[in-house]
Amino acid sequence: EIVLTQSPATLSLSPGERATLSCRASQSVSISLAWYQQKPGQAPRLLIYDASSRATGIPDRFSGSGSGTDFALTISSLEPEDFAVYYCQQRYNWPLTFGQGTRLDIK
Amino acid sequence: EVQLLESGGGLVQPGGSLRLSCAASGFMFSSYTMAWVRQAPGKGLEWVSSIVDHGGSTFYADPVKGRFTISRDNSKNTLCLQMNSLRAEDTAVYYCAKPTMPTKSYFDSWGQGTLVTVSS
Repeated sequence: EIVLTQSPATLSLSPGERATLSCRASQSVSISLAWYQQKPGQAPRLLIYDASSRATGIPDRFSGSGSGTDFALTISSLEPEDFAVYYCQQRYNWPLTFGQGTRLDIK
Repeated sequence: EVQLLESGGGLVQPGGSLRLSCAASGFMFSSYTMAWVRQAPGKGLEWVSSIVDHGGSTFYADPVKGRFTISRDNSKNTLCLQMNSLRAEDTAVYYCAKPTMPTKSYFDSWGQGTLVTVSS
C-alpha cells in the first residue's frame, strides 16, 4: 500500500497570503495524484488531478506540482473561503489511498 | 447535472449487516468505475471499494476485504455496498463517488453521504 504523508498537519495563515501544502508518497506514483478540499459538513471537492491539472471550475489561484514522490498544492493568495481541510489521493496503485489531511486555519 | 443519492445507513449492532445504495443520474453510469469512500467522525477520508464499469472487477481496502461486497446494476443506475460483520471501526459517513473520467479514479462528484453507526 502506498502511504501518503501530508505536511504540515495544520497551517495558520491570513487572507491574501500564499499557502503551500505538501504530500509525500512512500513510493513513486508518477503524476497519479489528486488534491481535494473539504469544508465541515460537506463532501470533498476535487481541485487538482494528475498532479497539476485543475478540475472544472477551480479558480486559477489553486495550482499543483510535483511528480514521483513529492507533490505540492499552492494557493497563490488565500481567500476567506479557502480555509478548509485539504487531502491528497493517489490512483497509481490499488488500494487507492488518501493522505491524512492538512487543516488550513485563519491566523 | 450529476446526482448521487446514497441511502441505507443507520444504527446497527456489532456483527450486524447493512446494505447501502447509491442512485446515480446525470451521466453515463454504465461507463464509469464507481467507488465508496468513508469518513469516520472527525477523521480523514478512506477509500473503501471500487467496481469497474461492467462489474467484472472489484477492489477493496484491506480493513473491509471479506466483509464488504460492492455491486452495481447498470440497468437501474445503482451502486450498492453490502456490509457484513460490522465493527465499531466501520462507523463513518459513507460516500458514493464518481470519477472525473471513466477509468481514472479521481472523484469529481460525491453524494451527500449516509451515516453508518455500529454500536450496541
